[in-house]
Amino acid sequence: DTEVTQTPKHLVMGMTNKKSLKCEQHMGHRAMYWYKQKAKKPPELMFVYSYEKLSINESVPSRFSPECPNSSLLNLHLHALQPEDSALYLCASSQGQAIQTTYEQYFGPGTRLTVT
Amino acid sequence: AQKVTQAQTEISVVEKEDVTLDCVYETRDTTYYLFWYKQPPSGELVFLIRRNSFDEQNEISGRYSWNFQKSTSSFNFTITASQVVDSAVYFCALSEPYSGSARQLTFGSGTQLTVLP
Repeated sequence: DTEVTQTPKHLVMGMTNKKSLKCEQHMGHRAMYWYKQKAKKPPELMFVYSYEKLSINESVPSRFSPECPNSSLLNLHLHALQPEDSALYLCASSQGQAIQTTYEQYFGPGTRLTVT
Repeated sequence: AQKVTQAQTEISVVEKEDVTLDCVYETRDTTYYLFWYKQPPSGELVFLIRRNSFDEQNEISGRYSWNFQKSTSSFNFTITASQVVDSAVYFCALSEPYSGSARQLTFGSGTQLTVLP
């Protein structure tokens, strides 16, 4: 079953709020990803977790804080966001991160975030 | 540096027509992977295909087919007998396993395909 779930589907938050996005996969994948996607643009990588350790942080502002509680779960904690952070936030997972290959990533449906 | 170009921003066809989406890539590595993803209006990216640089065989899956040509650095995607449900944004992506970017995906800008009934 190639399924990645994300909650919530939609989120509206003020600039002083604290909220969290959640992602879950049950495919036994060992790598998980957060992407940000603005309208009519391709996804931009934010973070990569490999074997529950943060392996890539693409210079993302500290108001975004990722967390990987276990191999199936990935959270993105949001605090003091700006209106320009409004976007579709996508979670993905893949079999792993290997030197010789790149595995395909399976994406969740995303969370549409609006910052007011 | 790796780069993916999808020159067709938007394509519109009538149902049952065949349509080809172009993807041209740039890489200095001999080992790399190419992908196609579909993003319908619901937002989820759907994985369609993964191809490594050593496998130049074309692939067919139902109405979908892919033409990989290393000589022209292209990995084009054809939908035969298009259907309204094929309407989506299609992304081509490239990954270089040995690069310093830790095997992440470089996406093209996407092609919006609209299939009219």
